Amino acid sequence: ELKVEQNPLFLSMQEGKNYTIYCNYSTTSDRLYWYRQDPGKSLESLFVLLSNGAVKQEGRLMASLDTKARLSTLHITAAVHDLSATYFCAVDNSEDYGQNFVFGPGTRLSVLP
Amino acid sequence: NAGVMQNPRHLVRRRGQEARLRCSPMKGHSHVYWYRQLPEEGLKFMVYLQKENIIDESGMPKERFSAEFPKEGPSILRIQQVVRGDSAAYFCASSQGIGRNTEAFFGQGTRLTVV
Repeated sequence: ELKVEQNPLFLSMQEGKNYTIYCNYSTTSDRLYWYRQDPGKSLESLFVLLSNGAVKQEGRLMASLDTKARLSTLHITAAVHDLSATYFCAVDNSEDYGQNFVFGPGTRLSVLP
Repeated sequence: NAGVMQNPRHLVRRRGQEARLRCSPMKGHSHVYWYRQLPEEGLKFMVYLQKENIIDESGMPKERFSAEFPKEGPSILRIQQVVRGDSAAYFCASSQGIGRNTEAFFGQGTRLTVV
């Protein structure tokens, strides 16, 4: 059974600082997704990582995937308050890309002024 | 192009009643997925449907829950005889296909409260 873990689960950081959120998963997969969720809202797609070594960047966020280590990272550079949200990684558990996602528990990020 | 539309946004039911959650996928999308999110947790896969077919229901509870995606109209997630433990946010996602580069888009969710 595929399990997806994230750490930390809670992260409080000051504006301007850098930090990394880690996502580990238990079986082989080369399809990993990062989402952002604001309280009471839906999930916003941030990154789609589809191969070993994939690296994508958007603004202050950068995501990478190491399929051999079964690890993805979401790096935050010079955090700003607007990045406060819960971040989920999700691994596609389907053999035929049916998008049966297994989500991590989420990392709740608070960026303090 | 409207996104994935779910309604109602909030639904309150008494124990024993039925809950019907609707999901209209994005235009041109024929694949629908339902997920459940319990408070303070990640989303858990429930079911994957294409028009008129259930493809993968491995995450659906064996009793009281059913889902359909008819030829015409929205996808429906139906929960019969609701219990307090059914209180959660239910999210629907849709995709155009199932290819490797296909992305699923999520709706706003329906927050079900069972009192």
